[in-house]
Amino acid sequence: LAKTTQPISMDSYEGQEVNITCSHNNIATNDYITWYQQFPSQGPRFIIQGYKTKVTNEVASLFIPADRKSSTLSLPRVSLSDTAVYYCLVGDDFGNEKLTFGTGTRLTIIP
Amino acid sequence: GAVVSQHPSRVICKSGTSVKIECRSLDFQATTMFWYRQFPKQSLMLMATSNEGSKATYEQGVEKDKFLINHASLTLSTLTVTSAHPEDSSFYICSAPNPGTGENEQFFGPGTRLTVL
Repeated sequence: LAKTTQPISMDSYEGQEVNITCSHNNIATNDYITWYQQFPSQGPRFIIQGYKTKVTNEVASLFIPADRKSSTLSLPRVSLSDTAVYYCLVGDDFGNEKLTFGTGTRLTIIP
Repeated sequence: GAVVSQHPSRVICKSGTSVKIECRSLDFQATTMFWYRQFPKQSLMLMATSNEGSKATYEQGVEKDKFLINHASLTLSTLTVTSAHPEDSSFYICSAPNPGTGENEQFFGPGTRLTVL
């Protein structure tokens, strides 16, 4: 699995758009990029997954540049309930292989 | 999405006792499950891969005789922390892939918080 680097923490005010960037310089051709969200004392929850360009779902958007060496998770109009740790993972078979979690980004939303 | 449950959600035990944690896939079968441990303010660390019908595969540094894993059926894996000590206090999380849906993701349980006094 490719190593990922993301900011340790971020703060944002309610109602703002939050962008969390993840670096994965050694991403392989077959690798996908997946983001998980973890609330305190809960298991991680899948947010979004992509391979290239842009992916959007009801929760977030994922932007992936052409070189795929980084990706940006975008959370629109955050609320207090978005306070959580966000993990970026890179791999080619998330469904079956063991996952290696990096440090994650601790996002704190300020009222 | 698929649902993975864990039982108990939290447990407090005395030092030297053993604690069993269950991980169940509620609406799908899982031949493989993963066990993670997470200390406060830290990331998840993979402990072992649980395989139905065969021995678990442990990550480097994880004592297999201390953390016993049994994948009893296609929907149940158990982690037993033997002779628990305060340093084993942690948040234990399991996950399982759901090949039936074809989704390229794993589903995590809600976690079990173990406190060893």
